[in-house]
Amino acid sequence: DAGITQSPRHKVTETGTPVTLRCHQTENHRYMYWYRQDPGHGLRLIHYSYGVKDTDKGEVSDGYSVSRSKTEDFLLTLESATSSQTSVYFCAIRSGTGRNQPQHFGDGTRLSIL
Amino acid sequence: AQTVTQSQPEMSVQEAETVTLSCTYDTSESDYYLFWYKQPPSRQMILVIRQEAYKQQNATENRFSVNFQKAAKSFSLKISDSQLGDAAMYFCAYRSDYTGNQFYFGTGTSLTVIP
Repeated sequence: DAGITQSPRHKVTETGTPVTLRCHQTENHRYMYWYRQDPGHGLRLIHYSYGVKDTDKGEVSDGYSVSRSKTEDFLLTLESATSSQTSVYFCAIRSGTGRNQPQHFGDGTRLSIL
Repeated sequence: AQTVTQSQPEMSVQEAETVTLSCTYDTSESDYYLFWYKQPPSRQMILVIRQEAYKQQNATENRFSVNFQKAAKSFSLKISDSQLGDAAMYFCAYRSDYTGNQFYFGTGTSLTVIP
């Protein structure tokens, strides 16, 4: 158990509404990531963070923003949700120590935008 | 961006038999790390095995082993004595030792285990 909690686990909302997903970790890992998973695409990186207030864009960052004001929390925001953002969202963490460290994942959030 | 290719969208194996899942990647780097993750229907992402590119010896974890061919940029996963619990989606992932922070995933292979 890597101590990662994603909330909510499921959410249904309407097009145009703002949505915030939360990732919380208990082990003070430096790196945190947000991915989306869609059939036929595997996992695609949205944004990641390498420290408090240090974030960078991934492959599919358009329409998403992130914030990390504390080591333990990494928030993903959809400012105005669209149906194309219906997906399963995963948070992942990675220790900053050890170059071969893998990512460990949360249990995912299923987001449906109607 | 690195490209990771899993050319087998679906595979099946008879229980107790051996199956090999393929993964290739595109990189010009010499130092990197490779991973296989398993995603059962529960949706959890579970690390199966990892390989450092500088190591010539193939990684092994119980019934799971890899065939790492650096020159061919190939990283296949072999599952021996397949069990019903091995049924899952399997993802191959790459991480650079230079750019470091990002992982790149393949599109996955769905493995069915036939009793």
